[in-house]
Amino acid sequence: EVQLLESGGKVVQPGGSLTLSCVGSGFTFSSYAMSWVRLAPGKGLEWVSSVTNSGEGPQYAHYVRGRFSISRDNSKNTLFLHMTSLRFEDSATYHCAKTFQPYSGGPSTLDSWGPGSVVTVS
Amino acid sequence: IQLTQSPSSLSASVGDRVTITCRASQGIRASLAWYQQNPGKAPKLLIYSTSFLQTGVPSRFSGGGSGTEFTLTISSLQPEDFATYYCQQVHVYPLTFGQGTRLEIK
Repeated sequence: EVQLLESGGKVVQPGGSLTLSCVGSGFTFSSYAMSWVRLAPGKGLEWVSSVTNSGEGPQYAHYVRGRFSISRDNSKNTLFLHMTSLRFEDSATYHCAKTFQPYSGGPSTLDSWGPGSVVTVS
Repeated sequence: IQLTQSPSSLSASVGDRVTITCRASQGIRASLAWYQQNPGKAPKLLIYSTSFLQTGVPSRFSGGGSGTEFTLTISSLQPEDFATYYCQQVHVYPLTFGQGTRLEIK
């Protein structure tokens, strides 16, 4: 069974930094591209960032580009989201998600999601 | 690419047939997925590539369309189907979602 579990969310001040982690199990983590998607209170799902299975070619939404950085450690089955210069509007539950097919080098459907980690900028 | 879902909210009864529409601002071929989300839970993939049912998803869910207009249909609503539904295009980066359709019990 595929499992994804995020951690690291907390209350931070505007302008602060935070790193989220996502540990994957039940699948060959190093074979799948991964993404971060967020859900802010009262809003809809919002894609944040994606990275290939090898950690190359990161993609970012314009509203986080230059402030957030995605990375992964395949030896530890872990995905990261390094968040800096946090703003009030970054407050959300952040979900990591796995792509549907292995070795996907481009945009891909997200077939498994973690329960999320809550980030509050206040 | 912008995705516009309609309606934004919908009230229906158990046993009803409902359809949610997702319109893309430009053509995305068949690169569209549908997700279901309940409050406080992870989103769940229902449909991929416009019309393919994800493993384990009940057959009362179906997807259709192509190009710029897509639909999600639930043939006979069950109590567990009352949730928020999102479409997502996976044609190009940046990935985008529709604004969501909240399905409520009438």
